[in-house]
Amino acid sequence: EVQLVESGGGLVQPGGSLRLSCAASGFTFSNYWMTWVRQAPGKGLEWVANINQRTSGSEKYYVASVKGRFTISRDNAKNTLSLEMNSLRDEDTAVYSCARWPVWPTAVEVWCQGTVVTGSS
Amino acid sequence: DIQMTQSPSTLSASVGDRVTITCRASQSISTWLAWYQQKPGQAPKLLIYATSSLDRGVPSRFSGSGSGTEFTLTISSLQPDDFASYYCQHYGDYSTWTFGQGTKVEVK
Repeated sequence: EVQLVESGGGLVQPGGSLRLSCAASGFTFSNYWMTWVRQAPGKGLEWVANINQRTSGSEKYYVASVKGRFTISRDNAKNTLSLEMNSLRDEDTAVYSCARWPVWPTAVEVWCQGTVVTGSS
Repeated sequence: DIQMTQSPSTLSASVGDRVTITCRASQSISTWLAWYQQKPGQAPKLLIYATSSLDRGVPSRFSGSGSGTEFTLTISSLQPDDFASYYCQHYGDYSTWTFGQGTKVEVK
């Protein structure tokens, strides 16, 4: 069964840091681009970051509001995707979801349930 | 950056109704337009990719169309399981993706 299981969410003070992890199973992780998407309380979906298939994650892209503060990475040997979040702000409070993207033509077709990141100000 | 604007924000409908949701891009985009369904507390579910291709297992009452700056998601006959929020997404460039703000389909 294809699965993405997240961990690492929680309460964090503004300016603090948090690392989210996403464990993949049931598919060849190294074949897929991976992405993080977030959803603030009562709001819509917002794309956060993409990373290409390579172990080195040579291609990484971010939404402007997190650039320089968040880092997406992957470990293909451990089938794990990560999101390092620094200098967290109140507006980063959201449910963060990892998902896989097989690239065109299809879109994001497997999502994890999501983990909550809450600012404690 | 390309902006995606969905309308309406909320749609009240009854079972059996034909429902249409529109997604407009701030500039002409490629065909890499997807639609997702999301229910409260659940992860989004891919319905349609590449403007009009149905994802595996998605009922045929869902369809997508459009080109240029205007795209639509149509539910031909609304079913009880279809009351949910729907989002469009432009994914034509791997360096930046944009979602519409969402449309909530609620019971009339």
